[in-house]
Amino acid sequence: QKEVEQNSGPLSVPEGAIASLNCTYSDRVSQSFFWYRQYSGKSPELIMSIYSNGDKEDGRFTAQLNKASQYVSLLIRDSQPSDSATYLCAVDNNDMRFGAGTRLTVKP
Amino acid sequence: DAMVIQNPRYQVTQFGKPVTLSCSQTLNHNVMYWYQQKSSQAPKLLFHYYDKDFNNEADTPDNFQSRRPNTSFCFLDIRSPGLGDAAMYLCATSRGSRERYEQYFGPGTRLTVT
Repeated sequence: QKEVEQNSGPLSVPEGAIASLNCTYSDRVSQSFFWYRQYSGKSPELIMSIYSNGDKEDGRFTAQLNKASQYVSLLIRDSQPSDSATYLCAVDNNDMRFGAGTRLTVKP
Repeated sequence: DAMVIQNPRYQVTQFGKPVTLSCSQTLNHNVMYWYQQKSSQAPKLLFHYYDKDFNNEADTPDNFQSRRPNTSFCFLDIRSPGLGDAAMYLCATSRGSRERYEQYFGPGTRLTVT
């Protein structure tokens, strides 16, 4: 079983819609969770971190964490074509473990 | 601006010819990481330094070595690159406090092995 699992996509949404990205993880003791955005050929860029159960909002982005279900998600409201990228979920398990990412395409 | 810098951005080496990639940071972070990322795959942690303490991942090949001469710099040495080592190599840093493991990445070095 992979430590951090994401649907590889591609996930395609129209401009202005809500994009929903999901991630599950295997280690129950994980405490810190992150979402990174990675454009093609570029390095990952941190967009959200979340440490407690519930929702955390930052602009158009909302991260949701449910430790009991070992599930973390990222919602992107009012999606823009510039949001088209691969979104990596990362989980702190003493060492950071990354998922393989979900490729998001926002169509104008 | 505080940042993580990697040089070179693109590196071409020959099969078996040693190569060194460099990373520097102005964030004054305690921890520096090296990741390998192949196309459409997750970044794979190779090793990290917490200050001067070196931590090697169990499955990192011996062909990969690292040096951290001071807080600001960290190097990745590939002693005998094989075709399978062609990848993007990412350096990242973090403050290293227990509660915050946010990592900040450099732009990466894309390694080609011919």
